[in-house]
Amino acid sequence: KAGVTQTPRYLIKTRGQQVTLSCSPISGHRSVSWYQQTPGQGLQFLFEYFSETQRNKGNFPGRFSGRQFSNSRSEMNVSTLELGDSALYLCASSFGGGEYEQYFGPGTRLTVT
Amino acid sequence: GQSLEQPSEVTAVEGAIVQINCTYQTSGFYGLSWYQQHDGGAPTFLSYNALDGLEETGRFSSFLSRSDSYGYLLLQELQMKDSASYFCAVRAYGGATNKLIFGTGTLLAVQP
Repeated sequence: KAGVTQTPRYLIKTRGQQVTLSCSPISGHRSVSWYQQTPGQGLQFLFEYFSETQRNKGNFPGRFSGRQFSNSRSEMNVSTLELGDSALYLCASSFGGGEYEQYFGPGTRLTVT
Repeated sequence: GQSLEQPSEVTAVEGAIVQINCTYQTSGFYGLSWYQQHDGGAPTFLSYNALDGLEETGRFSSFLSRSDSYGYLLLQELQMKDSASYFCAVRAYGGATNKLIFGTGTLLAVQP
């Protein structure tokens, strides 16, 4: 079974631009969560989607948004990029609700200059 | 709110045993998970404790004490490939959710 895939793996953007990251979960998984990882803040929850609906949202500004498609693939968008948005963005998938194990993708390394 | 604290770094030698502690404060609690992340890699699930006590999976064991709000990951017969960051995590309380709250992470360095 193929794992979680994320595209692109690396991205360089400039301040003020917007970016869209993509995540394809493991086949059959309907829940996709997004996390931001930085050296200073660690792993922080962004949002979770289940069956095309946002089920949870972390404490991030409205510039961070996401969506999920009917095939469970998910995208997250960051508008008006700031230097502090430079981070590794990880998505994780699981079958449904409440499992204790999530499967993470390799992440997208975003650098904002 | 929820917070989890871990030591920032731990160093040990090959073949030794190391324990990584995690103390937590949560408004509700489903259980404690542990994830391993190699530099530049994805976090991978190691273990989960829903109930008090010890769970063993090969060289790795995890322990939970709900009364003490404390858990640990025990790694035995350390190998160089165990050098990685280790995170404890709890699932946010309240309904069906996969929102994970992660600890601060412990960087384990295994020396020859």
